[in-house]
Amino acid sequence: GQQVMQIPQYQHVQEGEDFTTYCNSSTTLSNIQWYKQRPGGHPVFLIQLVKSGEVKKQKRLTFQFGEAKKNSSLHITATQTTDVGTYFCAGLSGLTGKLIFGQGTTLQVKP
Amino acid sequence: SQTIHQWPATLVQPVGSPLSLECTVEGTSNPNLYWYRQAAGRGLQLLFYSVGIGQISSEVPQNLSASRPQDRQFILSSKKLLLSDSGFYLCAWSDHMGYQPQHFGDGTRLSIL
Repeated sequence: GQQVMQIPQYQHVQEGEDFTTYCNSSTTLSNIQWYKQRPGGHPVFLIQLVKSGEVKKQKRLTFQFGEAKKNSSLHITATQTTDVGTYFCAGLSGLTGKLIFGQGTTLQVKP
Repeated sequence: SQTIHQWPATLVQPVGSPLSLECTVEGTSNPNLYWYRQAAGRGLQLLFYSVGIGQISSEVPQNLSASRPQDRQFILSSKKLLLSDSGFYLCAWSDHMGYQPQHFGDGTRLSIL
């Protein structure tokens, strides 16, 4: 079935370093959503991107949606310990109308 | 405002026992409802979703079933639990499947012994 691939699976960074996670789909997505799950918690919605090439920012977080609407990225500038958690992308398939979650990227930040 | 309640938070069950997890949503009407399972350190696996009362779609064949007896109530059940049913079960709701954010409950950590 259709999948949304997310890389890397894990990332360890020193506090203050930047971090990026990438999502790729083999088919065009209608939109893409990003979620954050803190350790022991549940996923929390961060943002949704809809337009081709769209870029949105939330403080130190920058989200991009590819021109072909098949890939997306989340970039965190100058990570902090509060950024620790697993970041999931979820793409809405234009074929099936279903939201498909990536496997997530777990971020560890060393103080 | 909308809230989602999921219980219990933690559950330990023996193999072969039945299961019933309940999820309720407040503050919205006719929500889309979802059950996910998350294995330790893994992603989210969609188990069931429902667009209305009595309407259940199953995403993967498994030992579980779901029901929606009321508009804002979603129940996950099993007649006989397997060891492989262990995991973190999350209920979620959204206004429009895929076009609106999904809002997750706090989850149930299920351990099968």
